[in-house]
Amino acid sequence: AQKVTQAQTEISVVEKEDVTLDCVYETRDTTYYLFWYKQPPSGELVFLIRRNSFDEQNEISGRYSWNFQKSTSSFNFTITASQVVDSAVYFCALSEEGGSEKLVFGKGMKLTVNP
Amino acid sequence: NAGVTQTPKFQVLKTGQSMTLQCAQDMNHEYMSWYRQDPGMGLRLIHYSVGAGITDQGEVPNGYNVSRSTTEDFPLRLLSAAPSQTSVYFCASSPLRLGTQYFGPGTRLTVL
Repeated sequence: AQKVTQAQTEISVVEKEDVTLDCVYETRDTTYYLFWYKQPPSGELVFLIRRNSFDEQNEISGRYSWNFQKSTSSFNFTITASQVVDSAVYFCALSEEGGSEKLVFGKGMKLTVNP
Repeated sequence: NAGVTQTPKFQVLKTGQSMTLQCAQDMNHEYMSWYRQDPGMGLRLIHYSVGAGITDQGEVPNGYNVSRSTTEDFPLRLLSAAPSQTSVYFCASSPLRLGTQYFGPGTRLTVL
């Protein structure tokens, strides 16, 4: 069965600090997809990244980077030099090849970046 | 493109009332889904559709109905609203199976 765990519920940092958001997943499928979404205080859900299970390369996009490790079933997200605009709730999610269109979300992690 | 649109943005219902949450997308996406978001619970799938005329249940389908008569529209119906259905509802669409889901702005529903 699919499961996504975001153990941290809330993190507070000071601007310019680096912060890592942890995501651990469970799946029985060999083919699956992992996602990160951002939900700023305005409430919309913003897509950040989609990664398939066969691509373990780390990815960097500006100040954002993702570390995918199948050996530990983790897909962690790092924000470098955080900014106040990064303050949001971040969700990790998983979909499986054998799980129809079900996208299973973690419970989210609230990041507050203080000036 | 407007992307995924949802109406209304806010709604207050009394217990037992019925209503329809509207969702439309103009990206010609085959896949559409409805989620609800409750504090501390993340998002949970209510119903989804893999194309016009095809719908299926998600994780929390009880109390909700859907239909998909066109590619563009995927309305969610509450037949008899209950306080437990107080939530924020998001509609999403995706261009391909297991693809990225793009979300609408959400509908905040309160059932008294």
